[in-house]
Amino acid sequence: GIQVEQSPPDLILQEGANSTLRCNFSDSVNNLQWFHQNPWGQLINLFYIPSGTKQNGRLSATTVATERYSLLYISSSQTTDSGVYFCAVEASGTYKYIFGTGTRLKVLA
Amino acid sequence: NAGVTQTPKFQVLKTGQSMTLQCAQDMNHNSMYWYRQDPGMGLRLIYYSASEGTTDKGEVPNGYNVSRLNKREFSLRLESAAPSQTSVYFCASSEMGGDYGYTFGSGTRLTVV
Repeated sequence: GIQVEQSPPDLILQEGANSTLRCNFSDSVNNLQWFHQNPWGQLINLFYIPSGTKQNGRLSATTVATERYSLLYISSSQTTDSGVYFCAVEASGTYKYIFGTGTRLKVLA
Repeated sequence: NAGVTQTPKFQVLKTGQSMTLQCAQDMNHNSMYWYRQDPGMGLRLIYYSASEGTTDKGEVPNGYNVSRLNKREFSLRLESAAPSQTSVYFCASSEMGGDYGYTFGSGTRLTVV
């Protein structure tokens, strides 16, 4: 089945710094999502982004489906950005999203 | 608008006991999913229901059964709980298949002793 790899696995930032999280996948995909899991365990959908670029405030994401990767950019990080960021992909026609193992982000005040 | 509601939030079971995790969504979504999350890992798909009346196996279906009771409700049953099923269980829904993104419930933390 499709493999999803995220990097880096862990990241520590000072408040105000920028960061880039990467998601690589091993096969063509229909859909891709980025999620944030906060320290209380709640999963929030950040982007539904099968291709192209989207922006939402300080966060933006780019997916290059032909090269099988997606990037999540966090600018001017805040302590509330701490948590785990997951990439999930749906292989063509399967209805099944496969998750990566996540990037654990800690933002220090 | 409650979104996706899971019950219970916490549960402790003894090995061999059975239980049903409940999930309901009020967004008129067609597709619903059950995932489990183990410490330090991503989410793994247990079962999903692409539309009312259909269910299919995901990555880790062994030891579980599901019922898509109606468009709103999708339950997960453990017939004979095992310690390996200790996990946090998340239910999610989406409009159709993977399109437009998921909405997750707040999770059920299950411990099997």
